[in-house]
Amino acid sequence: DAMVIQNPRYQVTQFGKPVTLSCSQTLNHNVMYWYQQKSSQAPKLLFHYYDKDFNNEADTPDNFQSRRPNTSFCFLDIRSPGLGDAAMYLCATSRAAMNTEAFFGQGTRLTVV
Amino acid sequence: AQRVTQPEKLLSVFKGAPVELKCNYSYSGSPELFWYVQYSRQRLQLLLRHISRESIKGFTADLNKGETSFHLKKPFAQEEDSAMYYCALVGAGGYNKLIFGAGTRLAVHP
Repeated sequence: DAMVIQNPRYQVTQFGKPVTLSCSQTLNHNVMYWYQQKSSQAPKLLFHYYDKDFNNEADTPDNFQSRRPNTSFCFLDIRSPGLGDAAMYLCATSRAAMNTEAFFGQGTRLTVV
Repeated sequence: AQRVTQPEKLLSVFKGAPVELKCNYSYSGSPELFWYVQYSRQRLQLLLRHISRESIKGFTADLNKGETSFHLKKPFAQEEDSAMYYCALVGAGGYNKLIFGAGTRLAVHP
């Protein structure tokens, strides 16, 4: 059973047109993360939530926003996608504990045309 | 700076050969280190963590603080081990946020 679900799996958006990616979890984990992964590169953390406490990485562009309306759902909003934002976006969850496993979704591949 | 380096993009071996996927890290303090694996068409998943000192699917990894390394090893590779392997470090600040290396693709040939 999928525990972290991302929708859609593939998203095509136009340059400059706002887009939202979604993630849901059935694990009831406190922490949710959004990573960006470009081709042949390491997944890069954009931001994460501990419950509703939002933690932005210093180098995450302002173009990227996030919402977490409840424990189960988290959204990634890209306000004005550029060609450089084309990537795989990974959602993950974990408990807030040391040495704990992160559970990943299948990812959403974003194409910007 | 906190960083994870995986120097090899691709490691190609024959079935039955030993495997070592290299990982070096940069971190001040006691690191929490993991290996994650992504099989074809599957999601990224945990393979093992250094604190457990366990062997998973025949893989082991030893933390060497002197060399700041956490290499992944398996004595006899199997075809089903073919996958993308990522070494990861828990970064300072926040909650269990992972800093990943760029990954090494392991290809095991029959």
